[in-house]
Amino acid sequence: QKEVEQDPGPLSVPEGAIVSLNCTYSNSAFQYFMWYRQYSRKGPELLMYTYSSGNKEDGRFTAQVDKSSKYISLFIRDSQPSDSATYLCAMGGNQAGTALIFGKGTTLSVSS
Amino acid sequence: DAEITQSPRHKITETGRQVTLACHQTWNHNNMFWYRQDLGHGLRLIHYSYGVQDTNKGEVSDGYSVSRSNTEDLPLTLESAASSQTSVYFCASSPGTDRRETQYFGPGTRLLVL
Repeated sequence: QKEVEQDPGPLSVPEGAIVSLNCTYSNSAFQYFMWYRQYSRKGPELLMYTYSSGNKEDGRFTAQVDKSSKYISLFIRDSQPSDSATYLCAMGGNQAGTALIFGKGTTLSVSS
Repeated sequence: DAEITQSPRHKITETGRQVTLACHQTWNHNNMFWYRQDLGHGLRLIHYSYGVQDTNKGEVSDGYSVSRSNTEDLPLTLESAASSQTSVYFCASSPGTDRRETQYFGPGTRLLVL
């Protein structure tokens, strides 16, 4: 089993839809959980950051972490065509500066 | 504004040549990382550094080397380029403080090895 699993998609939704993106992981030592957004031919940019379990909301984006199930989610409300990108989950342990483990990314397309 | 830059942005080289990709950050971050991104594999860690004179191997380090002589730069060298090293290369950095695990990425270098 890979450390981080993420469905690559592609996922296609109409504008205004609620989008749910997910990752599962196997390493119970992970404490930091992130979502990166990557537009075509660009570098990943940090979208959401969560430490340990719980929810975090930022505008139309909500990140959830369920450590008991080793499952993280990113919800996008009122999706827009500008949300079309690849979304990468990433996670890491509790040691400062340790390398992150990335999912392979889910490609999302929002049509107007 | 502080930033992370990579050069060149595009590179074509031949098999067997030595290639160096530059990464420069102005955030004064302690930690720097090199990844490659390939279809079907996602981001894979090549090498990383926690500070000056510190370097560590990542998941796919064979055929690559790095050196860290100052805080701002972590050049990645392909000793003898191979076609399997055709990829998009991303450099990243993180501060090593409160949000120490957050990594900030450069724009990437597209490398084609013929």
